[in-house]
Amino acid sequence: DSGVTQTPKHLITATGQRVTLRCSPRSGDLSVYWYQQSLDQGLQFLIQYYNGEERAKGNILERFSAQQFPDLHSELNLSSLELGDSALYFCASSPRTGRNEKLFFGSGTQLSVL
Amino acid sequence: TQLLEQSPQFLSIQEGENLTVYCNSSSVFSSLQWYRQEPGEGPVLLVTVVTGGEVKKLKRLTFQFGDARKDSSLHITAAQPGDTGLYLCAGWARGGGGATNKLIFGTGTLLAVQP
Repeated sequence: DSGVTQTPKHLITATGQRVTLRCSPRSGDLSVYWYQQSLDQGLQFLIQYYNGEERAKGNILERFSAQQFPDLHSELNLSSLELGDSALYFCASSPRTGRNEKLFFGSGTQLSVL
Repeated sequence: TQLLEQSPQFLSIQEGENLTVYCNSSSVFSSLQWYRQEPGEGPVLLVTVVTGGEVKKLKRLTFQFGDARKDSSLHITAAQPGDTGLYLCAGWARGGGGATNKLIFGTGTLLAVQP
């Protein structure tokens, strides 16, 4: 158990809908990272927050947004969903931010867009 | 864009065999990490290599960071069925303003060790 909790574990929805994925980091970790994993794209970095502030952005679509709350949990919002958004979404956390940080990953949310 | 290419993509071997997985890039990384991912789970960190030429051993696993810090390898000796999984290399890339805060993952190597 990594200590990172992601909910829900599975999500099935329809095109055009909006969903929210939730992540609770390990106790004491200030950084939260979101990744998308698919067979064709591999594990792609989406966005990172550190202590409530956005610190780095990757290949995140404009239809996607995220935030980190004062209690350090984070939410990833996906809107106007398309079939191609079906993927495994991972949240990870680390104590601080910067190079050489060790990331601890949750078990992921499997999103299926039908 | 900094990319990490892994080879081979797939590897199926018998228990007891040795294998090497390669992770290559045209870019320099401040450090490289190796993760292993099992079905239904998130990646788990195995090791971080920081210095060019560095070699780290973790039981039957040996990790090497290239002298130029552009590549890395993972060697497994006497593979066991428990080694089965997706192996991912990852490098910290420089983000905006020179801060290193993006962990970029490689394309992955799926290893199956048959008993």
